[in-house]
Amino acid sequence: GQQLNQSPQSMFIQEGEDVSMNCTSSSIFNTWLWYKQDPGEGPVLLIALYKAGELTSNGRLTAQFGITRKDSFLNISASIPSDVGIYFCAGLRSNDYKLSFGAGTTVTVRA
Amino acid sequence: DVKVTQSSRYLVKRTGEKVFLECVQDMDHENMFWYRQDPGLGLRLIYFSYDVKMKEKGDIPEGYSVSREKKERFSLILESASTNQTSMYLCASSLFLASGSGELFFGEGSRLTVL
Repeated sequence: GQQLNQSPQSMFIQEGEDVSMNCTSSSIFNTWLWYKQDPGEGPVLLIALYKAGELTSNGRLTAQFGITRKDSFLNISASIPSDVGIYFCAGLRSNDYKLSFGAGTTVTVRA
Repeated sequence: DVKVTQSSRYLVKRTGEKVFLECVQDMDHENMFWYRQDPGLGLRLIYFSYDVKMKEKGDIPEGYSVSREKKERFSLILESASTNQTSMYLCASSLFLASGSGELFFGEGSRLTVL
């Protein structure tokens, strides 16, 4: 699958700060997903987006499916220590059955 | 609660050894996947299976094979382990394959070190 360009690669944030990360591609995707991997665990789905322009929230998390279908972003508001982990974006194209993953954003929270 | 279980969390093997990584899911999912996770490279698909005894190559199948004799079990095999196969291996399952939700359920991972 095509690698997605995810940025930033890592970030150190202060507890209580808002965090933003994004994912871009040269290809169009019909589904964008955001996963989180806690230390020592497998990734878990946070948010799924199925429609261009869609803005979806899950608690302190907000994600958007870009209008061009080539990008997505994830925001975390008021970060807390348990937000530590690796966040992956993933995309699925309509003519494919394999998810393409970004390289991940490693988040470390300073108390 | 959905569960994907990988048999070994940590393995240390020597170059040339045969390695088996086992994965079992209890969700009656048709589709199962093996990914490899390396820093800076994200998750790369090695093989997947959409039915018993069916398999498809992913993006990096070289040096690996798989076996799916039962619906709930998907095994990854390294016929002759090499040091460049030192990595974290993640098994996943899903209900839908094409044009579906895209949601994968992952196991906790197996960290393999090849000396």
